[in-house]
Amino acid sequence: QLVLTQSPSASASLGASVKLTCTLSSGHSSYAIAWHQQQPEKGPRYLMNLNSDGSHSKGDGIPDRFSGSSSGAGRYLTISSLQSEDEADYYCQTWATGIRVFGGGTKLTVL
Amino acid sequence: QVQLVESGGGLVKPGGSLRLSCAASGFTFSDYYMTWIRQAPGKGLEWVSHISSSASTIYYAESVKGRFTISRDNAKNSLYLQMNSLRAEDTAVYYCARDNSGSYPDNWGQGTLVTVSS
Repeated sequence: QLVLTQSPSASASLGASVKLTCTLSSGHSSYAIAWHQQQPEKGPRYLMNLNSDGSHSKGDGIPDRFSGSSSGAGRYLTISSLQSEDEADYYCQTWATGIRVFGGGTKLTVL
Repeated sequence: QVQLVESGGGLVKPGGSLRLSCAASGFTFSDYYMTWIRQAPGKGLEWVSHISSSASTIYYAESVKGRFTISRDNAKNSLYLQMNSLRAEDTAVYYCARDNSGSYPDNWGQGTLVTVSS
């Protein structure tokens, strides 16, 4: 079964960096994913898609502070030089024929 | 720029029906898969359904299969979701999204709230 696992919460200080993790279920480590951001009281926004080799393509207007990487079944979103507007929920998402799957989301708090 | 504007949400009683619409602009609508995704209050994102550019391929989440119907009108640049036999657990904000290569949403609407309650 295709499942994405995310930690429910993360925190980091203003100006620091944070690395969020999304883990693919067993047998699915070659799958690409997409990262989406949802700021409080707003609709989601596409950040990037991320392949198993770590290559990624960002959405329009996404700052360079956002980057992606991969290792095995792990897919990572790194946000550097954290700003207050980065405080949001972050969702990873993947796909297979006929389905789309979202992770449970990580709530990022900027201290 | 890409714009997706949902409408049609509201309050409906259990067992009732509702039709959501999504008006698309800023891109060639007929070239893209489109998706409905929902978010229950205080919860995460849940994929509902998606439809290919020509409407030849359609998929649904198990939770809505047999009750919801996705459709599109490429001449009107519009996506629809007909929701029947609504349940309390269908209460959510419903987002329309454009799919990139039929894989992931790369543009989202602002959402429309559906509340199922007696």
